[in-house]
Amino acid sequence: AQSVSQHNHHVILSEAASLELGCNYSYGGTVNLFWYVQYPGQHLQLLLKYFSGDPLVKGIKGFEAEFIKSKFSFNLRKPSVQWSDTAEYFCAVSSGNTPLVFGKGTRLSVIA
Amino acid sequence: GAGVSQSPSNKVTEKGKDVELRCDPISGHTALYWYRQSLGQGLEFLIYFQGNSAPDKSGLPSDRFSAERTGGSVSTLTIQRTQQEDSAVYLCASSAIQGFTEAFFGQGTRLTVV
Repeated sequence: AQSVSQHNHHVILSEAASLELGCNYSYGGTVNLFWYVQYPGQHLQLLLKYFSGDPLVKGIKGFEAEFIKSKFSFNLRKPSVQWSDTAEYFCAVSSGNTPLVFGKGTRLSVIA
Repeated sequence: GAGVSQSPSNKVTEKGKDVELRCDPISGHTALYWYRQSLGQGLEFLIYFQGNSAPDKSGLPSDRFSAERTGGSVSTLTIQRTQQEDSAVYLCASSAIQGFTEAFFGQGTRLTVV
C-alpha cells in the first residue's frame, strides 16, 4: 500500500525566509503527486501537482516542488515566505487506480 | 453546484447514537472520497467511489462505518453506535477522474461525540 511521510510536523519561519517542506512516498510504480494547503478556517485546496514531464513543477502563490524519483521525494519550496502563507500543508500521492493518500501534514507558522 | 457541499457543518451526538453525514459533489465528477481529519493525524482515507465500480472500502476503521453513493451523485457516510474516538472532521472530496485530476474538498462536518 502507498504511504506518505512528511517529516516536519511544525515549521516556524520569519517572513522572507526560504521554505522547504519534505515529502517522501512509498510506492514502486508510476505516481501522481500533489501538494494541498489548508489555510485557517478554510477548506483544502490544491497548490500544485505532478503527473509527468518536467520534474520541477510550479504552483500558485510562488510555490514549487521537485519530483526526485530516485529518492521517492516531492519536496515543496518557496524562496521567500509571507505571513499569509501560514497554513497546514499536505502532500498526497495517487497511482491512478488507488485512492489519494495524504501525509499527516506540516503546520507552517510565519512570524513577522 | 459550484463546489462540494457537506451537511451538517457541525454535529454533536451522544455516544451510542447513529449519525449520517451528507456530501453533494461537484456535478459530473465521477470520483468521490471520504476522509477523516483528526488533530495531528492528517487526512485518513476512509472510502472512495469511482463511477459504477464497487467502492474501495479499505480505509473504513470498523464495521460501524458505511457509505453509499446514490445515482452516482450524493453520498452519505453513516456511523453507527458512535464512540468518542469517532470525533473528528469528516471531509468529502470529488474529482473528475480519480487520481489524475484535482480533488475538490468540501468544508467538512465536525463531529463531536459526547
